[in-house]
Amino acid sequence: DSGVTQTPKHLITATGQRVTLRCSPRSGDLSVYWYQQSLDQGLQFLIHYYNGEERAKGNILERFSAQQFPDLHSELNLSSLELGDSALYFCASSGGGTTTPEAFFGQGTRLTVV
Amino acid sequence: DQQVKQNSPSLSVQEGRISILNCDYTNSMFDYFLWYKKYPAEGPTFLISISSIKDKNEDGRFTVFLNKSAKHLSLHIVPSQPGDSAVYFCAASAMSGGYQKVTFGIGTKLQVIP
Repeated sequence: DSGVTQTPKHLITATGQRVTLRCSPRSGDLSVYWYQQSLDQGLQFLIHYYNGEERAKGNILERFSAQQFPDLHSELNLSSLELGDSALYFCASSGGGTTTPEAFFGQGTRLTVV
Repeated sequence: DQQVKQNSPSLSVQEGRISILNCDYTNSMFDYFLWYKKYPAEGPTFLISISSIKDKNEDGRFTVFLNKSAKHLSLHIVPSQPGDSAVYFCAASAMSGGYQKVTFGIGTKLQVIP
């Protein structure tokens, strides 16, 4: 158990809909990263939050947004969903400060858009 | 711009032999390097890391080598076992604006053949 919790584990929704994925980082971790992994592809970095502030953006579509709340949990919002958005979405957390940067991943949310 | 590159998408090795996974990076500010292992339908798990002040770190069957002048690191698994079959991600970290930013490669799929 990595200590990172992602909900839900599975999500099936229709095209055009909007979903919210939730991530609770390890206790004390300030950094939260979101990644997308499509079929047999690598981890595509989406966005990084540190202590509530957005720090870096990767290949994140404009239809997607994220936030990190004061209690450090994070949500990834995906809207106007398309079939191609079907993927595994991972959240990871790390200390983010002067600690070593090992990131710990959640089990992922498998999103299926039909 | 892909700052962490894993140029081999896949690798097959016989059980008992050595597996060598390679990773190149372009950002000379990276000062900490990590390897993660990922099984299907699970989140990546941290495997081994190395600081830029070292050139080798060993943990059981796993050894990571860092060649800073070549901006290259490699993961050696000896002897390889069927349970090592997974996707391996290389990652690199640098301090940026007071926090550590981690960048992942796209992964190499290792298959260990019994």
